[in-house]
Amino acid sequence: QVTLMESGPALVRPTQTLTLTCTFSGFSLSASGMCVTWIRQPPGKAPEWLARIDWDGDKYYHTSLKTRLSISGDASRNRVVLTMTNMGPEDTATYYCARVYYSLDFWGQGALVIVSS
Amino acid sequence: DVQMTQSPSSLSASVGDRVTITCRASQGIRDSLGWFQQKPGKAPRRLIYATSSLQSGVPSRFSGSGSGTEFTLTISSLQPEDSATYFCVQYNSPSLTFGGGTKVEIK
Repeated sequence: QVTLMESGPALVRPTQTLTLTCTFSGFSLSASGMCVTWIRQPPGKAPEWLARIDWDGDKYYHTSLKTRLSISGDASRNRVVLTMTNMGPEDTATYYCARVYYSLDFWGQGALVIVSS
Repeated sequence: DVQMTQSPSSLSASVGDRVTITCRASQGIRDSLGWFQQKPGKAPRRLIYATSSLQSGVPSRFSGSGSGTEFTLTISSLQPEDSATYFCVQYNSPSLTFGGGTKVEIK
C-alpha cells in the first residue's frame, strides 16, 4: 500500500525559509522509474508543480521558482525534503508530495502552509 | 513548458446526464495525460491515466479519450457523488502542468 505524508510548519513568516518533509511507504525511491514530486495548490486554485527528484538522483524545478527551491531525497529513510526560501504571502497554499511512477498517481493528504506576519 | 487549457471552468448538470470536460495541450504530449477528481479538503484522486486507462476501483462511467493535444474526460451518467472539481495533468515532461480545473455541480 502506497502512502505519502507531508510534515512541516503550518505558519511561516514572510522572508523565512519553508522546509517540508515527505515521508512515504509502500515503494522505494531507488527503484528504477520512481520519482517523488512536490505540488502546491493555493486556496481555490489549480495545482502547481514545484519540483521532482528521480530514482537516479536527477532533480527538476519549476522554471520561475528554481532559484528558491531545493529538493533532496533519502531513499534509505523513505524521505524527500523540499525547501523554499524567501516565502511571501503568495506562497500560501496546501503543499502536496506525490509519487510519479511513469505517471502521477498517489498523493499525500497535503499540508496547509500560511505565510503571514 | 507545456500549457494545459481546460474547459469549461464549471458546469451544472442533472443526475444521469452525460458530461464532457476537455483539456488542450500547447504541444503534443503523446498519451501522457491523467485526470483527477478532487473534493473539498481532500487530496486529488486519480481517475484516468495514460489518456484512457481507468484507475482500479473507479466506476466505469468515467472514461478518457484523445491524443496529441486534445483530450476529454467523459462521465457517461452523472451521479450525485460526482460533484467535485476535476483537473487534467500532463506528465510528458518532468515539469508537470495542470489544467485550470472544472467544477461540476449537480442541479
